[in-house]
Amino acid sequence: GAGVSQSPRYKVAKRGQDVALRCDPISGHVSLFWYQQALGQGPEFLTYFQNEAQLDKSGLPSDRFFAERPEGSVSTLKIQRTQQEDSAVYLCASSLARSLNNEQFFGPGTRLTVL
Amino acid sequence: GENVEQHPSTLSVQEGDSAVIKCTYSDSASNYFPWYKQELGKRPQLIIDIRSNVGEKKDQRIAVTLNKTAKHFSLHITETQPEDSAVYFCAASRGAAGNKLTFGGGTRVLVKP
Repeated sequence: GAGVSQSPRYKVAKRGQDVALRCDPISGHVSLFWYQQALGQGPEFLTYFQNEAQLDKSGLPSDRFFAERPEGSVSTLKIQRTQQEDSAVYLCASSLARSLNNEQFFGPGTRLTVL
Repeated sequence: GENVEQHPSTLSVQEGDSAVIKCTYSDSASNYFPWYKQELGKRPQLIIDIRSNVGEKKDQRIAVTLNKTAKHFSLHITETQPEDSAVYFCAASRGAAGNKLTFGGGTRVLVKP
C-alpha cells in the first residue's frame, strides 16, 4: 500500500517568505508527527497530532511555525517569515496506535532551503 | 527532557566484519528503542526495535541489546555487506503522550568491499 507522502519534495524560499509543507499519512493512522532534520543530524521532534487534535507542540522552535490537521488526515506545516536557520529537511511520520509504542513510518521529507 | 547520545559518529568496516553502534539515554521512563537506517536523500526506515521488557532482540544479521540499569542500548550488525552502508539513528521514546521519538546524532557506516 501507499506509504507516507510529502509535498513538495524540495522548496526554495527567499528569507521572509511563508511556506506550507504537506503530509499525507498512511490511511487510518491516528498519530502524526513532524520532525526537523538539520544537515548531518538526527531528526528533532516538532509536533504531534492524534487525529485532528494537536496534543504536543513543544518542539516548535518559534511562533513562526504552525501545524494543523483539520480533518485528522492530511497535515500542513506552515512556516511564516522564513529565516536561514529554518533550512532543513522536514519529515512527517505516522503511526497506527494512539498510546502504544508502534512503528513510526516516515515520509521522504521536504528539503527546505531558505536563501 | 530525554537526551540520546550516539557513538561513534562514523564507522568504517571491511565487508564481512561486524559493526557496533552504541547509544545512551537519560530518561529512565523511556521504554521503546527503535533503530532507523537512512540512506542518502531517503526516508528513515525502521530496521529493528526493542522494548524495555526484553534485553535482546535479533533479526537475521541485526541484533539490539538493552541495558536498562545503565541506560544504554546497542546495535550489532554481523557479516556486513556494502548495502549496509548508510546512516543509522537510534531513538528513545516514553510511549505515552504520542510516543515522540528522541533521536541520537547518527552514525555514518561505510562498508568497504
